[in-house]
Amino acid sequence: DAKTTQPTSMDCAEGRAANLPCNHSTISGNEYVYWYRQIHSQGPQYIIHGLKNNETNEMASLIITEDRKSSTLILPHATLRDTAVYYCIVRVAGRNNDMRFGAGTRLTVKP
Amino acid sequence: GAGVSQSPSNKVTEKGKDVELRCDPISGHTALYWYRQSLGQGLEFLIYFQGNSAPDKSGLPSDRFSAERTGGSVSTLTIQRTQQEDSAVYLCASSLVPGNTEAFFGQGTRLTVV
Repeated sequence: DAKTTQPTSMDCAEGRAANLPCNHSTISGNEYVYWYRQIHSQGPQYIIHGLKNNETNEMASLIITEDRKSSTLILPHATLRDTAVYYCIVRVAGRNNDMRFGAGTRLTVKP
Repeated sequence: GAGVSQSPSNKVTEKGKDVELRCDPISGHTALYWYRQSLGQGLEFLIYFQGNSAPDKSGLPSDRFSAERTGGSVSTLTIQRTQQEDSAVYLCASSLVPGNTEAFFGQGTRLTVV
C-alpha cells in the first residue's frame, strides 16, 4: 500500500477553517484515501474517505487532487474540540489488507 | 454490541507475568485489527484478522506476542513474560469488510508493566 506524508503539527484559530494536507504520491488506482483523528486519550475516530471525487459529510470535506497524489482535509469552522492528531492513510478497496497509520498531524485549535 | 469493547480498560502487571487482552468487535464485523500506542507516539500496527485467520503477523514485535480470534468474533492478544517496554495502550478496531469501509476503534487497554 502507498505511504503518506503529513506535516508534524499545525495551528488553527478557533472558528476558522483548518486545512490539513496529505501527500500520497505513489497511490494506486484502487486505493482510497481515509482520514481518522485521535483526540487525547481516546481511540481514533473515522472522519471521511474518498477515491477521486471530493467528499463532504457533517464533520469535514475531503479534496483530492486530479492526479490523486495529494489531498486536503478541511474542517470548515474549527472548534477547540477539534484539537487532535489527524491521520491520513490509503487503503486498497475490496481486498484483505492491513491498516497502517503514520505519525499524523497534531492540530491545535487556539482561542 | 454498540461499539468495539476492550477489556480490561487498565491492567497493571509485574514484569515477567503473562497478560491477556480482550477485544469484542462490533457484531458482524469480519476484519479486526490490533495496535499498540506508547506514550506520545503514533499507532503501531500489530496484527490483522480477516475472520479467524491472520494474513499478516509481521507487526508483532516479538515471539512473546500472539493473538487469536475465534468464531470470527472475539480476539485475544497475549503477551508472555511481559517487559517494561510493553507498557502502552493496546487498541483494537473492527470493520465490516476489509478495504473501503471505515474502521471503529475501542477505547483501548492501558497496560503498565512494573
